[in-house]
Amino acid sequence: AQSVTQLDSQVPVFEEAPVELRCNYSSSVSVYLFWYVQYPNQGLQLLLKYLSGSTLVESINGFEAEFNKSQTSFHLRKPSVHISDTAEYFCAVTLWDSNYQLIWGAGTKLIIKP
Amino acid sequence: NAGVTQTPKFQVLKTGQSMTLQCAQDMNHNSMYWYRQDPGMGLRLIYYSASEGTTDKGEVPNGYNVSRLNKREFSLRLESAAPSQTSVYFCASSQTGGYQPQHFGDGTRLSIL
Repeated sequence: AQSVTQLDSQVPVFEEAPVELRCNYSSSVSVYLFWYVQYPNQGLQLLLKYLSGSTLVESINGFEAEFNKSQTSFHLRKPSVHISDTAEYFCAVTLWDSNYQLIWGAGTKLIIKP
Repeated sequence: NAGVTQTPKFQVLKTGQSMTLQCAQDMNHNSMYWYRQDPGMGLRLIYYSASEGTTDKGEVPNGYNVSRLNKREFSLRLESAAPSQTSVYFCASSQTGGYQPQHFGDGTRLSIL
């Protein structure tokens, strides 16, 4: 069965430091990959997605993620975090032949220390 | 443009009471979803509707029912609430296709006493 593993439940980091949030998935078929962000007391918003083509994808607020097919990973990175990045980040995967089945990771809380 | 609107935002129920969570989207999306979010467990799909007139069970459907009233609206009903259903409930919508992102409402925070 397909699954998504976010290896860290919380990641504390100092402001302006780099951060990496890890995501691994298990699937024997091709997938689409997503990162969503949830700010406190809000719903989830799409941060970035990988569908095909270049394995490095970027968001408008400085995050990037790289699809690594051999390691079945889709880690999220930012070179310098800001206090406004405090949120919970969810990795999600859907199968190429699926219309609906989005498989979610458990989430990683990014805690920015001043 | 409102996106996905959920009502109510907060609700406290007693065990055994019933209630309906409402969801409406104005993006002309075909597919709609109901999730529950519990600490450390990510999102779990309760029910989904791939298109108007169809509904299907997700990962955790027990204790819930849904109605796809029309293309815009998708409601979730708890017939006899139990403390285990205390959670944050999210409605989402998307266009058809696994590559399409889902758009979420702000959630309903439900406590069952």
